[in-house]
Amino acid sequence: NAGVTQTPKFRILKIGQSMTLQCTQDMNHNYMYWYRQDPGMGLKLIYYSVGAGITDKGEVPNGYNVSRSTTEDFPLRLELAAPSQTSVYFCASSAPGQGEVWGSPLHFGNGTRLTVT
Amino acid sequence: KNQVEQSPQSLIILEGKNCTLQCNYTVSPFSNLRWYKQDTGRGPVSLTIMTFSENTKSNGRYTATLDADTKQSSLHITASQLSDSASYICVVSGRYNTDKLIFGTGTRLQVFP
Repeated sequence: NAGVTQTPKFRILKIGQSMTLQCTQDMNHNYMYWYRQDPGMGLKLIYYSVGAGITDKGEVPNGYNVSRSTTEDFPLRLELAAPSQTSVYFCASSAPGQGEVWGSPLHFGNGTRLTVT
Repeated sequence: KNQVEQSPQSLIILEGKNCTLQCNYTVSPFSNLRWYKQDTGRGPVSLTIMTFSENTKSNGRYTATLDADTKQSSLHITASQLSDSASYICVVSGRYNTDKLIFGTGTRLQVFP
């Protein structure tokens, strides 16, 4: 069982370039999330989705876009990369729990380490 | 402002010893508290999730406690092993669907032989 798979593992971008971080899960989870993790900081939510066709902004959405055309996939798009987007990006998924969006454990991928220079 | 604070920032212990990590939060109203383990270069993995009505929960050598009145939680690791070396992250959820998870900055634990 693969769980949550993220690609690529590492990427270096030049300022102004664009890229898509891929995320796919095989657990049939409705909920999916994108977080970024910066040194000395707690994970910050970028975007999340409660089901195919539904996405919503998190705490730090500026400079990013997402789409959710299928249950399995939740790609994160960076347009016009900036040094401030240098970070480790984690995708996660969870199953609905007791009617709460945030009630179930998150299953994380192993991250994409992105450097923008 | 909703916050989650963890202490200590880092901890070094010898293999076989016990240790306790602390988490204080200000999230209110509160729904649940989770502890995650994050190995270097990997994503966090869930250890426990406790609702406001639970006081303690165990997962093998890991035991989490929760005092919702004082807004404190602890993670106790018994008979530590080298594989326990990791960051341990406390995460708190508010009670409303509009509340997002609040992540602590983690405690980095190193276990030496």
